[in-house]
Amino acid sequence: TQLLEQSPQFLSIQEGENLTVYCNSSSVFSSLQWYRQEPGEGPVLLVTVVTGGEVKKLKRLTFQFGDARKDSSLHITAAQPGDTGLYLCAGVRGTYKYIFGTGTRLKVLA
Amino acid sequence: NAGVTQTPKFQVLKTGQSMTLQCAQDMNHNSMYWYRQDPGMGLRLIYYSASEGTTDKGEVPNGYNVSRLNKREFSLRLESAAPSQTSVYFCASRPMEGSNTEAFFGQGTRLTVV
Repeated sequence: TQLLEQSPQFLSIQEGENLTVYCNSSSVFSSLQWYRQEPGEGPVLLVTVVTGGEVKKLKRLTFQFGDARKDSSLHITAAQPGDTGLYLCAGVRGTYKYIFGTGTRLKVLA
Repeated sequence: NAGVTQTPKFQVLKTGQSMTLQCAQDMNHNSMYWYRQDPGMGLRLIYYSASEGTTDKGEVPNGYNVSRLNKREFSLRLESAAPSQTSVYFCASRPMEGSNTEAFFGQGTRLTVV
């Protein structure tokens, strides 16, 4: 059983549309990170959220950490083909044990 | 900047063969990790090493062993490969203690067990 479940698993949208990706768990995490992975490469960090209820913006991407620190969301406004990739959330248990979510594969069509 | 280097990039093994995946980082990071990535499963933690000389099990440690040879190197060994271990393996490192540090990943090793 995966501790962090992401939804949807796949998403194909047209350029200019908005979308939200969810990362859910029954466990509390001290912080949560979002990564993006391109084909043939390792994941690259987008953002870290630490405080329950925290909202961070990175250009057209908005990240939110749930009040209870069990879930998070990633919202993309006006998606572009360059946003295509695999999006992964990751939470930490204790100090060193980082657990990744199941992943959301996004394809943005021009 | 090399960052995290994994070798080999591709490998095909026969069932029952053994092999070691190598990982080295040149960023002076304390903690290192091994993950496997399968379709629809994201990344699953196999083993991690908080610091030189220590290793701990992750979510899916069965069938694997690890060695933290020194601060730079963290290897993953498959003693008797099975088709279920066909996957893409990623090594990662983090700079310091604490829950907010970025993980830096290698480019992965694509392993096929036939």
